[in-house]
Amino acid sequence: DADVTQTPRNRITKTGKRIMLECSQTKGHDRMYWYRQDPGLGLRLIYYSFDVKDINKGEISDGYSVSRQAQAKFSLSLESAIPNQTALYFCATSLYTGELFFGEGSRLTVL
Amino acid sequence: QKEVEQNSGPLSVPEGAIASLNCTYSDRVSQSFFWYRQYSGKSPELIMSIYSNGDKEDGRFTAQLNKASQYVSLLIRDSQPSDSATYLCAVNTGSNYQLIWGAGTKLIIKP
Repeated sequence: DADVTQTPRNRITKTGKRIMLECSQTKGHDRMYWYRQDPGLGLRLIYYSFDVKDINKGEISDGYSVSRQAQAKFSLSLESAIPNQTALYFCATSLYTGELFFGEGSRLTVL
Repeated sequence: QKEVEQNSGPLSVPEGAIASLNCTYSDRVSQSFFWYRQYSGKSPELIMSIYSNGDKEDGRFTAQLNKASQYVSLLIRDSQPSDSATYLCAVNTGSNYQLIWGAGTKLIIKP
């Protein structure tokens, strides 16, 4: 089993719908992240959390929210999805050293 | 605006040759530098991390860091077709270990 698990792996939805992407990890890391990847733009940080009571916005947090339910669980929500949120989303974990370990990705398509 | 720049490629290298991938960064206070490999449709995986000037070798991979010139490179010796992927450079520019990512260089190893 993967150390960092994302669900769903693929999702097609319509504009205006609420979507939740879930991430769970068995690596025991305190730090968790949500990234978005678009072709040619690289990885962009949406939110990050250094422990259960710590939530921080990344560079592109508008239109997204997160919940850190436990050390091992970090969820990303799109309250009202729009087409330009179509992208590949990655959850990642790290130790304090900053080396990231990624989940397998969630491909979201908003029609 | 803190930036990390990579040539998008594709960089085509014959099998068995040395592949050289380069990355420049704008923030002089950057402390930690990472190379990730990403196969098409897959998640990034860490190849190398480097923290001090000079070379760091791991198997066929060598990372080179020059803080004065603000560049970091990755050399892949004896390139194999399985090395064909996009290589992402990431730089930590602050104390909270947020990473700034390059858009990646696509490497193609020709048999």
